[in-house]
Amino acid sequence: QITLKESGPTLVKPTQTLTLTCTFSGFSLSTSGVGVGWIRQPPGKALEWLALIYWNDDKRYSPSLKSRLTITKDTSKNQVVLTMTNMDPVDTATYYCAHSGSSGRNFDYWGQGTLVTVSS
Amino acid sequence: SSELTQDPAVSVALGQTVRITCQGDSLRSYYASWYQQKPGQAPVLVIYGKNNRPSGIPDRFSGSSSGNTASLTITGAQAEDEADYYCNSRDSSGNHSFGTGTKVTVL
Repeated sequence: QITLKESGPTLVKPTQTLTLTCTFSGFSLSTSGVGVGWIRQPPGKALEWLALIYWNDDKRYSPSLKSRLTITKDTSKNQVVLTMTNMDPVDTATYYCAHSGSSGRNFDYWGQGTLVTVSS
Repeated sequence: SSELTQDPAVSVALGQTVRITCQGDSLRSYYASWYQQKPGQAPVLVIYGKNNRPSGIPDRFSGSSSGNTASLTITGAQAEDEADYYCNSRDSSGNHSFGTGTKVTVL
């Protein structure tokens, strides 16, 4: 079965860079049509899409956050890494990674999420 | 990515039908997918494509679309359907958006 799990720091300071890792199993990110995305959710607020990387290394970023985001994949390790620079308290959120098996049309499997707090 | 707008909250009597809508320009060209999120849990995909349900999703959930509006209908709402619901779509650039979310209360 497909599973995903996010890992990374729970607390970062303002201006620091956040690095999150999504470790997955049950699928390969070298299979045509497969992608892994990152979505976040501030406490009590709506979901916000951040980035998506495809099997062919095509990448998409939220236009409003593009300058701060980098998404990469390590197919051999079954991992996708998201970095976000210049963290601010408004970036406090639960960060989810999710599988897309339909060329990016939807997100059919999600990780449990990891809460990242930005505070000095 | 384009904006997707949802009503903040709706309520439905137990066993009745409720429709949740999502409006956005991208929906004229791309289908919405719908996600159910219960407190403290990750979202779960409930509808995708024209009107498809992943395995394990009850058939009381259905989707439809017209123009710039996508809809999720729960026919015969159950207590366990009380949750937040989000629509999602992508645009011509391949960028995604999530809707503003609708809180469904089952009375």
